[in-house]
Amino acid sequence: DAGITQSPRYKITETGRQVTLMCHQTWSHSYMFWYRQDLGHGLRLIYYSAAADITDKGEVPDGYVVSRSKTENFPLTLESATRSQTSVYFCATGGGRHQPQHFGDGTRLSIL
Amino acid sequence: EDQVTQSPEALRLQEGESSSLNCSYTVSGLRGLFWYRQDPGKGPEFLFTLYSAGEEKEKERLKATLTKKESFLHITAPKPEDSATYLCAVQEGNGNKLVFGAGTILRVKS
Repeated sequence: DAGITQSPRYKITETGRQVTLMCHQTWSHSYMFWYRQDLGHGLRLIYYSAAADITDKGEVPDGYVVSRSKTENFPLTLESATRSQTSVYFCATGGGRHQPQHFGDGTRLSIL
Repeated sequence: EDQVTQSPEALRLQEGESSSLNCSYTVSGLRGLFWYRQDPGKGPEFLFTLYSAGEEKEKERLKATLTKKESFLHITAPKPEDSATYLCAVQEGNGNKLVFGAGTILRVKS
């Protein structure tokens, strides 16, 4: 029972490239979230989704695109990567009323 | 704007030396306050949810408490395996989003 899986775990790419981070859950939770974690900033919400085909911006959405065609998948795309997007990205599910969010183990993304 | 501030930023304890971590918050209509533990290279792991002032929850050596303005995570007789970053987050009344603090890095030496 994997629960929530992120791939890849590590990625190195160059500025201007498009890169997609994958998130897959086996729990059928309605809500899914994408965060980035940087030193000094903690976890910041990029985008979230309340259900398939419903997405909304978080605190730091610029430069990112999301989609959710199926309940179990929530990919995050950097359309033209910049060095400032070097970070650790976490996907989470759950978070309904009074419910905690559960996190994957993250993708460490380096943009050269 | 919702704000969550954790202190101290880092804490070093000797094994067995009890202490507390603080999480102060400003939010319009608290739905829940969440504590997480994060180990290096891993995602945050859920510990507790607190819903109202006066509530307390315990798990092994950890005890979380909540007032109207802050939460404390008390660590009693810590062991080296308690070393981690502890994060708190708040969920406001009408939404499902979490706002996180920057975390407290705890190191327990034997």
